[in-house]
Amino acid sequence: NAGVTQTPKFRVLKTGQSMTLLCAQDMNHEYMYWYRQDPGMGLRLIHYSVGEGTTAKGEVPDGYNVSRLKKQNFLLGLESAAPSQTSVYFCASSYQEQRYFQETQYFGPGTRLLVL
Amino acid sequence: GESVGLHLPTLSVQEGDNSIINCAYSNSASDYFIWYKQESGKGPQFIIDIRSNMDKRQGQRVTVLLNKTVKHLSLQIAATQPGDSAVYFCAENISGNTGKLIFGQGTTLQVKP
Repeated sequence: NAGVTQTPKFRVLKTGQSMTLLCAQDMNHEYMYWYRQDPGMGLRLIHYSVGEGTTAKGEVPDGYNVSRLKKQNFLLGLESAAPSQTSVYFCASSYQEQRYFQETQYFGPGTRLLVL
Repeated sequence: GESVGLHLPTLSVQEGDNSIINCAYSNSASDYFIWYKQESGKGPQFIIDIRSNMDKRQGQRVTVLLNKTVKHLSLQIAATQPGDSAVYFCAENISGNTGKLIFGQGTTLQVKP
């Protein structure tokens, strides 16, 4: 199993440009998440999905959109990038069922985004 | 409001010593807690978790202690090794909010040879 993969690994954008970050998981997880991590801070939840075709806002959703057309993929879009969106973006996925003691989230390697 | 915080941003220990990383949380409705390790340039990696109906759980060289009375969580690493150098995050899940975790700011563990 590859686990959680993210593409691209690194990207530089100019202010106003758009892009899509792709997250894929091969663990058949129901839940998927997008976080951003800024220097000296923990992870902040942008959007999440509890199943194919569903999405919901997290703590810092403004400026981002997401889609979950397939269970294994979760896309994060920036329609008009701003310097404040310079960050490292992590995708994660997890099981849904409560019977699993480890409702842990499995993380991808991250995407470093620089907006100039 | 909700917050998960670690007491110290950086902890420096000698190789072979035990490490204790602390975390305070404020939401008494939290029922599940996780410790993650993040090495430079990588995503967070699961270390150990604990439910609120337990006060201690042990893994390989790691122990998590939960004190619900004072809303405190700690991660103990036995015989700390250079490979343990990383940033450690605690995270909490609020009951009924399955899947949504609140992360602390992280503690950097530095292991001196």
